[in-house]
Amino acid sequence: DVKVTQSSRYLVKRTGEKVFLECVQDMDHENMFWYRQDPGLGLRLIYFSYDVKMKEKGDIPEGYSVSREKKERFSLILESASTNQTSMYLCASSPAQTGVTDTQYFGPGTRLTVL
Amino acid sequence: AQSVTQLDSHVSVSEGTPVLLRCNYSSSYSPSLFWYVQHPNKGLQLLLKYTSAATLVKGINGFEAEFKKSETSFHLTKPSAHMSDAAEYFCVAYSGGGADGLTFGKGTHLIIQP
Repeated sequence: DVKVTQSSRYLVKRTGEKVFLECVQDMDHENMFWYRQDPGLGLRLIYFSYDVKMKEKGDIPEGYSVSREKKERFSLILESASTNQTSMYLCASSPAQTGVTDTQYFGPGTRLTVL
Repeated sequence: AQSVTQLDSHVSVSEGTPVLLRCNYSSSYSPSLFWYVQHPNKGLQLLLKYTSAATLVKGINGFEAEFKKSETSFHLTKPSAHMSDAAEYFCVAYSGGGADGLTFGKGTHLIIQP
């Protein structure tokens, strides 16, 4: 079974802190994704990566950055957390070189609260 | 621009009765379409996907969906609901172009009454 793990299930941070959300997948997938999920808005794509050291902006990249130094790990960074970044963050991976058309496998999510 | 509309934010059915979750898309091209399910405190799991093969797609747990191009719809159905089906369901469309081509619906919360 594909496994996508996220470093924390719940996280509480203060405004202005730098926040790292880590995601690891164990199936050698090329593609990895970060989404945020908010009630009534569904999932929105923040960033994704087709390969190591490659990244592409999604729909809402402002206030976020990402890092992919190893194939299995994709980190989401909030340089200076703000209260409007309080959300559920979901990581996903998929095996296809073509990107998003293949099945995406999701982690359990990290619920981030910024005070 | 592409959009995905899930017509109901909440659907409530009795156990053993049929389930219908509605999804409409708007796209200039024939998209790939997906349904995902999210159980409480879990990540999303793929139920089924349509990628221009058969228009009736069968998925896991007895769910199926029919692609109707004339109606731009991809409704999810199940003949008989189980308590374990209670979850959030997301319809997703992809019409190419990388990240900009992937669109999630806002979700439908399925409630199963005993």
